[in-house]
Amino acid sequence: GNSVTQMEGPVTLSEEAFLTINCTYTATGYPSLFWYVQYPGEGLQLLLKATKADDKGSNKGFEATYRKETTSFHLEKGSVQVSDSAVYFCALPDGSQGGSEKLVFGKGTKLTVNP
Amino acid sequence: EAGVTQFPSHSVIEKGQTVTLRCDPISGHDNLYWYRRVMGKEIKFLLHFVKESKQDESGMPNNRFLAERTGGTYSTLKVQPAELEDSGVYFCASSHLGSGTDTQYFGPGTRLTVL
Repeated sequence: GNSVTQMEGPVTLSEEAFLTINCTYTATGYPSLFWYVQYPGEGLQLLLKATKADDKGSNKGFEATYRKETTSFHLEKGSVQVSDSAVYFCALPDGSQGGSEKLVFGKGTKLTVNP
Repeated sequence: EAGVTQFPSHSVIEKGQTVTLRCDPISGHDNLYWYRRVMGKEIKFLLHFVKESKQDESGMPNNRFLAERTGGTYSTLKVQPAELEDSGVYFCASSHLGSGTDTQYFGPGTRLTVL
């Protein structure tokens, strides 16, 4: 099945710093790619997604571009805020069994933003 | 539109006891997934329902875990008897049934602690 490798943290930044969280994948074909976020005390939320090569997903100032040449989907934000402190997960469909679009996840990257 | 809900939010039980987790998907979502995150590790797929049928249960760790989705609405995940290694956060997700990969929407999770 498909797999994903995500930069492990923790990552600690100061407010307004630039953020990059690396994510690379191995996949058959060109599946959709996702970033999920888990804020403290909350469940998983979809942050953004891209459904085909060269697509850029964006939300809340975060961006990620689906790059098939480098099989990457890095998450970026130009200026982080304290409220962005959370755990970020890169994910894609497993693709190993027809009809079941179960997701495979990276290990998660914990981001802490200090004022 | 109400999101995915899970009950309870936390459960603390002793080894050997039984626990039942419940998930209510978004109304109209035929796909329902269960995932688990053991402390510090990846979020791992457990099983997938399409309506009331088990589409894929390849991620279920052993026969102490039993999932049901009677009537194709809410789902329950029973662990009997619970072991220490079952501790973790159990997430439920739902999505529309259709071609291609549709976005999975996650619930807040149930944190299970087995003592």
